[in-house]
Amino acid sequence: ETGVTQSPTHLIKTRGQQVTLRCSSQSGHNTVSWYQQALGQGPQFIFQYYREEENGRGNFPPRFSGLQFPNYSSELNVNALELDDSALYLCASSPGLAGGPDNEQFFGPGTRLTVL
Amino acid sequence: SQKIEQNSEALNIQEGKTATLTCNYTNYSPAYLQWYRQDPGRGPVFLLLIRENEKEKRKERLKVTFDTTLKQSLFHITASQPADSATYLCALAPYSGGGADGLTFGKGTHLIIQP
Repeated sequence: ETGVTQSPTHLIKTRGQQVTLRCSSQSGHNTVSWYQQALGQGPQFIFQYYREEENGRGNFPPRFSGLQFPNYSSELNVNALELDDSALYLCASSPGLAGGPDNEQFFGPGTRLTVL
Repeated sequence: SQKIEQNSEALNIQEGKTATLTCNYTNYSPAYLQWYRQDPGRGPVFLLLIRENEKEKRKERLKVTFDTTLKQSLFHITASQPADSATYLCALAPYSGGGADGLTFGKGTHLIIQP
């Protein structure tokens, strides 16, 4: 059974640019969530996708958007990058909805984004 | 606003002793509380989940308690080992049925087990 994978591992962008981060869910999981983790902080919920539809969103602006594909892999897109977007971006998959009974989250290793 | 507080300072424990980590929350009525372990540069790893109607949960050397009156969870590691050194995150989840609010995490407690 393959775990959650993310790419790239590290990324450096400049302010104003756009970035796409990718995630492959654990086999059999139909829900994927994205989190932003700043240095020294806990992960913050960005949004969740369930069966290719956005199913919940945290307090992040619309320039953070995502997609989930039929094979349950996912993308996080961030437009007009700001310095404060520098963080570890974590993808997590689960077999059910994050708010449902089976809401153990399986996290990937993350993508470290640096915005200069 | 919702707030989750964990020991902000690092917790130093001698090998073999019991480590106890605290998670307090305010303005929140979680259906579930979870604990994760995170090593430097890696994603969190799920450890235990406890429901609002459960008082205690155990898994091997780990024990979690959940007091909804005190709005507090305690996480215990018995017979601690240097390999237990990591950051431990507390996370709350509402039961939102068909919707999803994601998990709300605390900042984590950095645990150091000294040989």
